[in-house]
Amino acid sequence: GAVVSQHPSWVICKSGTSVKIECRSLDFQATTMFWYRQFPKQSLMLMATSNEGSKATYEQGVEKDKFLINHASLTLSTLTVTSAHPEDSSFYICTSGTSAETQYFGPGTRLLVL
Amino acid sequence: GENVEQHPSTLSVQEGDSAVIKCTYSDSASNYFPWYKQELGKGPQLIIDIRSNVGEKKDQRIAVTLNKTAKHFSLHITETQPEDSAVYFCAASINTGNQFYFGTGTSLTVIP
Repeated sequence: GAVVSQHPSWVICKSGTSVKIECRSLDFQATTMFWYRQFPKQSLMLMATSNEGSKATYEQGVEKDKFLINHASLTLSTLTVTSAHPEDSSFYICTSGTSAETQYFGPGTRLLVL
Repeated sequence: GENVEQHPSTLSVQEGDSAVIKCTYSDSASNYFPWYKQELGKGPQLIIDIRSNVGEKKDQRIAVTLNKTAKHFSLHITETQPEDSAVYFCAASINTGNQFYFGTGTSLTVIP
């Protein structure tokens, strides 16, 4: 069964609103989770590393004030897309695991901003 | 940071033929190289992986080779079947963390 879940699986929102995406590890405690973004017909791009109990680490070019990450517990990381715009429409995927070989992908969240 | 390049971007083969997808990476600290298959509307699924201390790994019709010196690794699919049609991504993970840097993807079409 799935070891990493995401919620919601897809969401449609109006431009200017904020959207929260949850990533949960189901069978293990995750001190670190990773957030990726995939635009249509493109590759997955690492956005940020979510660290339990401390600030997230963002990749170059990713606005930390726009993509707020909170990792308040060992099983939950949230990504909030603030003031979403159509160009934020994408497939957002989280991963977590205890090693590189055991990184489990969440099923992804498809965001459409109108 | 790490930069992973992948070729070709699209690949069409006849059923039963072999398919080869190649990737290069830039950071010599990378030591783990997974390959993922992604079907339309779904998340990536791990199909095979290789560590930097191994030159080749095989799992039934799928094999991966790694050349650390040249910093490139390849995916080989033999006896392709229509259900192999999907987008394939290579990735590299640097020794210091568990995050992945993905290649640009290869859309594989197996023609029946």
